[in-house]
Amino acid sequence: AQSVTQPDIHITVSEGASLELRCNYSYGATPYLFWYVQSPGQGLQLLLKYFSGDTLVQGIKGFEAEFKRSQSSFNLRKPSVHWSDAAEYFCAVAPSTGGGNKLTFGTGTQLKVEL
Amino acid sequence: DVKVTQSSRYLVKRTGEKVFLECVQDMDHENMFWYRQDPGLGLRLIYFSYDVKMKEKGDIPEGYSVSREKKERFSLILESASTNQTSMYLCASSLGVWQPQHFGDGTRLSIL
Repeated sequence: AQSVTQPDIHITVSEGASLELRCNYSYGATPYLFWYVQSPGQGLQLLLKYFSGDTLVQGIKGFEAEFKRSQSSFNLRKPSVHWSDAAEYFCAVAPSTGGGNKLTFGTGTQLKVEL
Repeated sequence: DVKVTQSSRYLVKRTGEKVFLECVQDMDHENMFWYRQDPGLGLRLIYFSYDVKMKEKGDIPEGYSVSREKKERFSLILESASTNQTSMYLCASSLGVWQPQHFGDGTRLSIL
């Protein structure tokens, strides 16, 4: 079974600074990978996804993520953070063979942005 | 845009009550899901459905059941609510296998 680790529970950055949120997965093959964002009181919104091909994936709101097979990682990055990016971020994986559409989520990283 | 609507944002019920959480999606999606979200635990899958009248258990189905009589509607049922079911419940839908899931805004359920 697949699993996801987000090692940082909380991260604080200054507005305008760069951001990297870490995600490591465990799965026998290359999984399908996702990043979601949850603003306070809201459901989750898809930021970006990786299925295959180019390992650098562009998403919405200026976010990107890089799949590194050798490190089993899918870290989320943004060059310059805005105050509105304060939210909780979830990495998720789905099996690429069998298992259907069953996503496994990490425990989330809470991002705080200092003005 | 896909719209996933959960019938209540906040709900307060008593121990032992039968509780219904409703979810409707407007994009003719095949798959629908129910998750619960708890601090420090992320999202955990309770049940999912890949077709009308079809359902499969997720990771934490105990104490819950589901119903999908129509393609657009997926209901989560707490047969006899208990205090440990106090949580945020999120519904999601997706077009098909491996497609991104679209989430509702959640129902914060308190069992007293």
